[in-house]
Amino acid sequence: KAGVTQTPRYLIKTRGQQVTLSCSPISGHRSVSWYQQTPGQGLQFLFEYFSETQRNKGNFPGRFSGRQFSNSRSEMNVSTLELGDSALYLCASSVAGTGVRETQYFGPGTRLLVL
Amino acid sequence: AQSVAQPEDQVNVAEGNPLTVKCTYSVSGNPYLFWYVQYPNRGLQFLLKYITGDNLVKGSYGFEAEFNKSQTSFHLKKPSALVSDSALYFCAVRSRGYGQNFVFGPGTRLSVLP
Repeated sequence: KAGVTQTPRYLIKTRGQQVTLSCSPISGHRSVSWYQQTPGQGLQFLFEYFSETQRNKGNFPGRFSGRQFSNSRSEMNVSTLELGDSALYLCASSVAGTGVRETQYFGPGTRLLVL
Repeated sequence: AQSVAQPEDQVNVAEGNPLTVKCTYSVSGNPYLFWYVQYPNRGLQFLLKYITGDNLVKGSYGFEAEFNKSQTSFHLKKPSALVSDSALYFCAVRSRGYGQNFVFGPGTRLSVLP
């Protein structure tokens, strides 16, 4: 079974631009979560989608948004990029996000550099 | 509010010696607890989880963790460390119930010295 895939793997943008990252979950997984990882802040939860609905949102500004499609693939968008948005963005999928099927499986991440 | 603490930024251990990576948590009710490992320039890999039942959980690559409810701890252990175990280890907690999100600890860097 293929793992979680994220595209692109690396991205360079300039301040003020916007960016869209994509995540394809493991087949059969309906929950997709996004995390931002930086050396200073560690792993921070961005949001979770389940069956095309945002179920949870972390403490990030409205510039960060996401969506999930009917095939469970998810995208996250960051508008008006700031230098501090430079990070590794990780996507994780799980079957349903509850109970014993709770385990999240992570993709390799997209490394975003904002200049 | 949920929180996870990993009191050691760095743990050094000699190859062949036992290793322990510490984790304590704060969450209302009974938690789900997880350990993940991250190798350089890669995403997180699942090691093990505690859902319910036996307090000693066995996971991948010979790792195990012990859930201690009274001490709110979930320490990761391995009887004999390998150089290849050198990586960044994250403890995570999630409250039970629909729609709860994961909270990760800050990570502990494990260095196994040959």
